[in-house]
Amino acid sequence: QKEVEQNSGPLSVPEGAIASLNCTYSDRGSQSFFWYRQYSGKSPELIMFIYSNGDKEDGRFTAQLNKASQYVSLLIRDSQPSDSATYLCAVNSGSGNTPLVFGKGTRLSVIA
Amino acid sequence: DAGITQSPRHKVTETGTPVTLRCHQTENHRYMYWYRQDPGHGLRLIHYSYGVKDTDKGEVSDGYSVSRSKTEDFLLTLESATSSQTSVYFCATTPQGPTNTEAFFGQGTRLTVV
Repeated sequence: QKEVEQNSGPLSVPEGAIASLNCTYSDRGSQSFFWYRQYSGKSPELIMFIYSNGDKEDGRFTAQLNKASQYVSLLIRDSQPSDSATYLCAVNSGSGNTPLVFGKGTRLSVIA
Repeated sequence: DAGITQSPRHKVTETGTPVTLRCHQTENHRYMYWYRQDPGHGLRLIHYSYGVKDTDKGEVSDGYSVSRSKTEDFLLTLESATSSQTSVYFCATTPQGPTNTEAFFGQGTRLTVV
């Protein structure tokens, strides 16, 4: 069973701070990694994806991948109250039709 | 927004009755997925389809069946609904395989089995 682990939170950070969200995965063959944001009562939407070791930046968001440690993280700089949501980590093994495996999500609360 | 529509959006049904949820997409995406989302469990895959009439089971497929007779429609059927199937159901699609590509989600269907 391929597993994706996240702390459920809630993770509370003050407005303007950096929020750090972490995710570990069990399948060493995993090749693509995604972060989705889900507001309460809404469907998930993609924020970032990363395939290679290292950092990938997009605006206030940075995804970090370390395949040796089987670890992927999402940093949100200058956190805003509008960033308050559940963040889902998703991992794909890269083989054939194997669908994405999602973590349970981390709930982030940004306090104004 | 990706054109993925789920119907109904909300449904209350009685234990033991069959229920069918519909996912309709206008994106011509080859792959379609049904997930359920429950508190403490995150998104769990029920069934998925990699083409017309091509489907496979996911992690929590017991009590569910699917059909895909045309590219744009993916139906999820609860053969005899139970209270444990009370959940929020999401349909998702990807253009090709799930590797290295974004999954697009429908709005979700909230199903309550009483």
